[in-house]
Amino acid sequence: EADIYQTPRYLVIGTGKKITLECSQTMGHDKMYWYQQDPGMELHLIHYSYGVNSTEKGDLSSESTVSRIRTEHFPLTLESARPSHTSQYLCASSEGLDLFSYNEQFFGPGTRLTVL
Amino acid sequence: DQQVKQNSPSLSVQEGRISILNCDYTNSMFDYFLWYKKYPAEGPTFLISISSIKDKNEDGRFTVFLNKSAKHLSLHIVPSQPGDSAVYFCAASDRSGGSNYKLTFGKGTLLTVNP
Repeated sequence: EADIYQTPRYLVIGTGKKITLECSQTMGHDKMYWYQQDPGMELHLIHYSYGVNSTEKGDLSSESTVSRIRTEHFPLTLESARPSHTSQYLCASSEGLDLFSYNEQFFGPGTRLTVL
Repeated sequence: DQQVKQNSPSLSVQEGRISILNCDYTNSMFDYFLWYKKYPAEGPTFLISISSIKDKNEDGRFTVFLNKSAKHLSLHIVPSQPGDSAVYFCAASDRSGGSNYKLTFGKGTLLTVNP
């Protein structure tokens, strides 16, 4: 059973507000990811991290930023929310034992963000 | 340009019958494939995976088949149960150059299993 948590689960907020979506995992995984998904569409990788103090942008351009100060914590921040940011945001983690093996990613329950 | 395609947005089957979910990919560098299941308001849950060196992987009621020449994989669920009703995502990974972190997802297929 995966132990990865996201808060809040649902967020409705006005345009221009700063928001932080929290993601924590208790599995000690090195790799963590943020995906964005709209209804009926594929998951798009927007950020990932190989470990503490490592963050990279994913395939889909995003105005959000992330930080990785602790292994278990990977928060995502939007400095000024806009209606175009309305989406579901999914956090995931994986072990990443070495570069050439593969470990499945475990997902959190997601945060559904609505910006009015 | 969508590299992983699930061309059926939805599928409906009767309980006890077989469910077959299909996935096509275009990137010949993909060498690892995964299926995830997603219930509403929850995150995706890993189901089963297959490496490109195999053509079949089985886990209980779930079997994944890979046809590399056709760049096609399928997930078979036998027998289907109402609790299997969910969105199923196909995902692929290219592990060359150490980029094993990256998963490319399809748009998903909504499976409905009718009692």
